[in-house]
Amino acid sequence: GNSVTQMEGPVTLSEEAFLTINCTYTATGYPSLFWYVQYPGEGLQLLLKATKADDKGSNKGFEATYRKETTSFHLEKGSVQVSDSAVYFCALSDGGYSTLTFGKGTMLLVSP
Amino acid sequence: DAGVTQSPTHLIKTRGQQVTLRCSPKSGHDTVSWYQQALGQGPQFIFQYYEEEERQRGNFPDRFSGHQFPNYSSELNVNALLLGDSALYLCASSFRKDGSYEQYFGPGTRLTVT
Repeated sequence: GNSVTQMEGPVTLSEEAFLTINCTYTATGYPSLFWYVQYPGEGLQLLLKATKADDKGSNKGFEATYRKETTSFHLEKGSVQVSDSAVYFCALSDGGYSTLTFGKGTMLLVSP
Repeated sequence: DAGVTQSPTHLIKTRGQQVTLRCSPKSGHDTVSWYQQALGQGPQFIFQYYEEEERQRGNFPDRFSGHQFPNYSSELNVNALLLGDSALYLCASSFRKDGSYEQYFGPGTRLTVT
């Protein structure tokens, strides 16, 4: 079956530091890949997505590249802000009706 | 444009009871999916409704059932509640665009079973 593995958190960074959150997946076929963000007390917001190999998704300074050869979709940001503190979820959808399979989430804490 | 709304926000129930959670999709969306998010875990897919029918189901027991109404809103029902059903229940709505779906999530209902 499908599965998503993320690096465990929390990831603790100082403001303006470089961020990488690793994500690898297992899926049959050619899934679409997503990063969602969850702020405290809120639901999930789509951060970015990529639908085929070598696609790069980007939004709000975050980016991730769909790497089919390494089955990975690592999230990166060049300079994090305190407001980026949240839980980040990597997810895949293997087509059909686009139901999502999520990783366990990685908490990011950014200090001033 | 209102996004996905869910009610209630919080709920406390006792083991063995039944609960109903409600979801109104984003305007223009015809598909509703439900997810369970246990504390410290990622969301897990429960089921998806389209045209008032359950179209796809995840690995959840029959105690979990749902309904979709003609206006596309949806309910999630859980019978014979267990302590392990305590979780954040997320509703997501979507519609088919350019051959794919993009899911928009509501804020969730926090269910506590005591």
